[in-house]
Amino acid sequence: EAQVTQNPRYLITVTGKKLTVTCSQNMNHEYMSWYRQDPGLGLRQIYYSMNVEVTDKGDVPEGYKVSRKEKRNFPLILESPSPNQTSLYFCASRPGLRETQYFGPGTRLLVL
Amino acid sequence: AQSVSQHNHHVILSEAASLELGCNYSYGGTVNLFWYVQYPGQHLQLLLKYFSGDPLVKGIKGFEAEFIKSKFSFNLRKPSVQWSDTAEYFCAVSPVNYQLIWGAGTKLIIKP
Repeated sequence: EAQVTQNPRYLITVTGKKLTVTCSQNMNHEYMSWYRQDPGLGLRQIYYSMNVEVTDKGDVPEGYKVSRKEKRNFPLILESPSPNQTSLYFCASRPGLRETQYFGPGTRLLVL
Repeated sequence: AQSVSQHNHHVILSEAASLELGCNYSYGGTVNLFWYVQYPGQHLQLLLKYFSGDPLVKGIKGFEAEFIKSKFSFNLRKPSVQWSDTAEYFCAVSPVNYQLIWGAGTKLIIKP
């Protein structure tokens, strides 16, 4: 089944404790993105990747890192999480820049 | 800067009422247009999209949208809503060689 998977789905952590949210797609898509969703703010792009080893900042990259060592995986790394990073995170992929985007199920993160 | 505007943040309707959600974008060139839906507790799913051709596009679950180029609009419509249409709806625009630009979303509540 074609899908985007994310893990974990729910995470509670404390300020400063490094964490990684994994994202994987099995559709051989070139483009992958990370978004955060906050009430009243809609979706904001954190980082995106156009191919292996090619990543770029989105609208809200501060406090986040990503890597794209393989086409299928695009992990999101929070080196030192802070409470303002409490949010719902979505990974997404698409075959081309102007194509339909497929979303993962979301990761709900709470930073205490 | 390019932007996507969804005029209503919250809409409350009764079952069987007609729905129109507004979406306007600020970009003068060629664009692809999308509406995504997020049901409570779920990830975003594509509702419909416009790439070219007939400006009236039909999506899933009886939704349709009309692209009016002169008004830079891509409004979502449904003639008769159901309780199960309660969700958040996002408009997104993809200009040529550019990332997706998202609207802030419209929360739709259908009263049974």
